Amino acid sequence: QVQLVESGGGVVQPGRSLRLSCAASGFSFTYYAMHWVRQAPGKGLEWVAVISHAGSNKYYGDSVKGRFTISRDNSKNTLYLQMNSLRAEDTAIYYCARMGIPSSGSYSAFDYWGQGTLVTVSS
Amino acid sequence: DIVMTQSPDSLAVSLGERATINCKSSQSVLNSPNSKNYLAWYQQKPGQPPKLLIYWASTRESGVPDRFSGSGSGTDFTLTISSLQAEDVAVYYCQQYYNPPFTFGPGTKLNIK
Repeated sequence: QVQLVESGGGVVQPGRSLRLSCAASGFSFTYYAMHWVRQAPGKGLEWVAVISHAGSNKYYGDSVKGRFTISRDNSKNTLYLQMNSLRAEDTAIYYCARMGIPSSGSYSAFDYWGQGTLVTVSS
Repeated sequence: DIVMTQSPDSLAVSLGERATINCKSSQSVLNSPNSKNYLAWYQQKPGQPPKLLIYWASTRESGVPDRFSGSGSGTDFTLTISSLQAEDVAVYYCQQYYNPPFTFGPGTKLNIK
């Protein structure tokens, strides 16, 4: 069965960096675009970034552009989010999610989500 | 960026009654070449990740009960739960995946009356 397991969250000081990972299993990771979505405590969902199945195309939300970098290692079935210059407002649960249609030049809904990893930015 | 709005913010419905949640996008999410609306609905229960319910505005995800249905086109969409069950208590989000950033609505909290 499809599984997405995030890791790497924790408490970090403002201005520091953190790298999140999302280990994928149960499907052909190489063929699917992947997303990061976050949710601040008690708040709604905020889309963060997407990477195409081959890693050649990446897009970011305005609030993280220039600070966060999405990447993937298809040989390890793993998605990453490098977060630099962290701010208090980056405090959230970070979810990885799969885009539903494989190897597609178009977009589709997010059909599988991980359980999330909590990032807390605080001094 | 496409802005998504939802109404109401919260909703209380009696068991067995109909629940209706509305979603509006600031620009059309209908792709004319394939006639598909790039609109999804997700359900999120406390302490859980979101779960995909509806995609292409009206296609039910596998395993989702048929009491859930989606409708609408262009900029106006509706999620309907035909007969509310206790397990449907959750926050519901609409999302456009027409173009990045793939924005979500603010959510509608559904409770039992």
